[in-house]
Amino acid sequence: EAGVAQSPRYKIIEKRQSVAFWCNPISGHATLYWYQQILGQGPKLLIQFQNNGVVDDSQLPKDRFSAERLKGVDSTLKIQPAKLEDSAVYLCASSFTGYEQYFGPGTRLTVT
Amino acid sequence: AQTVTQSQPEMSVQEAETVTLSCTYDTSESDYYLFWYKQPPSRQMILVIRQEAYKQQNATENRFSVNFQKAAKSFSLKISDSQLGDAAMYFCAYRRQNSGNTPLVFGKGTRLSVIA
Repeated sequence: EAGVAQSPRYKIIEKRQSVAFWCNPISGHATLYWYQQILGQGPKLLIQFQNNGVVDDSQLPKDRFSAERLKGVDSTLKIQPAKLEDSAVYLCASSFTGYEQYFGPGTRLTVT
Repeated sequence: AQTVTQSQPEMSVQEAETVTLSCTYDTSESDYYLFWYKQPPSRQMILVIRQEAYKQQNATENRFSVNFQKAAKSFSLKISDSQLGDAAMYFCAYRRQNSGNTPLVFGKGTRLSVIA
């Protein structure tokens, strides 16, 4: 069974630029999560999708972050414009039953 | 809101010895799940062990076991016969039990070093 795929693995941008991350969950997993992991901290939920609908985006900075999950499969997370404090690892996870979440390898974003 | 606290930023253990990582959490819920995840330098989060709050028996997975104290809201991880490959960040996580899928709430992590 293929795992959760994410790209790119690394991204370096300047502040005020835009960036997009892509996630392909495990086939058949209806629930998809995006987490932000700042250096030295545990991951924090940004947004949760159930199929192509948003379940929880209460911690998503909506003035600069956006996410979509078209057709209930792949998802894209965008930041525009980026700030220095957005430097972090962005983790995508998917779940079928909710009991266990499977994580992708993450994207390390550096904003200079 | 639920919170998870890991009070040990760093721990070290000699190879083949035993180490215990601590975790406490705060919740008003009675039904929930607790997890320990391992994150090596590759950044891939790997599930180590999980515990359902309604189960009194502590979970065990090979060299990994937990001490779940529901009344004290404590959930520690014991690693026996430590191996060099156990070196990583370890995160304790909580998930509320619900009819739908709920997200994980993580602690800040404990960095474990294994000394040869």
